[in-house]
Amino acid sequence: EDQVTQSPEALRLQEGESSSLNCSYTVSGLRGLFWYRQDPGKGPEFLFTLYSAGEEKEKERLKATLTKKESFLHITAPKPEDSATYLCAVHPISDNYGQNFVFGPGTRLSVLP
Amino acid sequence: DTEVTQTPKHLVMGMTNKKSLKCEQHMGHRAMYWYKQKAKKPPELMFVYSYEKLSINESVPSRFSPECPNSSLLNLHLHALQPEDSALYLCASSRQGSVGEKLFFGSGTQLSVL
Repeated sequence: EDQVTQSPEALRLQEGESSSLNCSYTVSGLRGLFWYRQDPGKGPEFLFTLYSAGEEKEKERLKATLTKKESFLHITAPKPEDSATYLCAVHPISDNYGQNFVFGPGTRLSVLP
Repeated sequence: DTEVTQTPKHLVMGMTNKKSLKCEQHMGHRAMYWYKQKAKKPPELMFVYSYEKLSINESVPSRFSPECPNSSLLNLHLHALQPEDSALYLCASSRQGSVGEKLFFGSGTQLSVL
């Protein structure tokens, strides 16, 4: 069964304290891995797509990396506005149509001023 | 316009009521999705419409009835819901519903069933 886990479940950082969030996946094959950010009571907002091991993407203070078994979301010098839940989702190879994402449970990030 | 618009934002309904959730996008996307999300849980896929045809139904109870009147609109009709159906209902769209495409989500409808 295709599965996605994320760690830690929750993370508290001081403003400026860099850290990484982990997304581990167990799938027969990977068509794509996605990172989303979700604020309370809102829909998820797309951040990155990664397709193959070794790929990296960056946007402002965020950098996403991908290996054959996991992805990391690195947050450099975070600010309070980075506080949100970060969701990882995969398109497994078993999904021929690209419509059935498997979501991880998310990491709730709090950045304190 | 890169928005997915959902109405209403909040809905309170009794177990005998009939109500509908509405979703609209004007990005020309041909795949539209309904997700259900409980507090502190990830979104769970309910339905997918691809080119206005139902392509995925994740064994959702018949008290939820989706409808896709045209390529820009997606409705979710609700009837005889249970209190455990209370959740955030999210609509999303993607360009063609193909592999590797990102989802654009609406802000959701927070549903409470009394």
